[in-house]
Amino acid sequence: SQELEQSPQSLIVQEGKNLTINCTSSKTLYGLYWYKQKYGEGLIFLMMLQKGGEEKSHEKITAKLDEKKQQSSLHITASQPSHAGIYLCGARRAGTASKLTFGTGTRLQVTL
Amino acid sequence: EPEVTQTPSHQVTQMGQEVILRCVPISNHLYFYWYRQILGQKVEFLVSFYNNEISEKSEIFDDQFSVERPDGSNFTLKIRSTKLEDSAMYFCASSGGQGGNEKLFFGSGTQLSVL
Repeated sequence: SQELEQSPQSLIVQEGKNLTINCTSSKTLYGLYWYKQKYGEGLIFLMMLQKGGEEKSHEKITAKLDEKKQQSSLHITASQPSHAGIYLCGARRAGTASKLTFGTGTRLQVTL
Repeated sequence: EPEVTQTPSHQVTQMGQEVILRCVPISNHLYFYWYRQILGQKVEFLVSFYNNEISEKSEIFDDQFSVERPDGSNFTLKIRSTKLEDSAMYFCASSGGQGGNEKLFFGSGTQLSVL
């Protein structure tokens, strides 16, 4: 099965600082999804990356996919308290609407 | 934006009792999923459902679990005889499924507490 390791497990940054979260797969990535989870809420979709070298941005969040390294990174620029939460990467097998398997999660706290 | 709705948001039950968790997926979606998250642990896949049958299930999804789409709009997860270790947040999700790589839309979850 797909195993996804995220690093770091948790992160505390000061407001305004940049940060990066990594997601490494034990198997070939055919699509990588980033979600955010806040306490008591569901998983909120952030971005989906499908091709090697693909990079997507939404507001201050940028995600990249490195297929060769079987890795994706999520970068937040000038962090804000609203960025706090748990970030999850997810991946699925190629060519099917199969299950999404999630990583271990990274808990982000943003201090004032 | 359309959303996945789950009810109830919290459910407390006694060990051995049956529970039914309910979900209303997005109306034109074809694939439906249940996931669970035990406190402090990963979000784990339980089961996927397509064309009125289970398409995939995990080892967690044993005979105590069942899913149903009784009326074309609801999608339910039943736990026949709950155990203490079934206490978790249960998430329902759906996807369009046309291209096979579509994102999953998640509900806000049902927090199940088994006493």
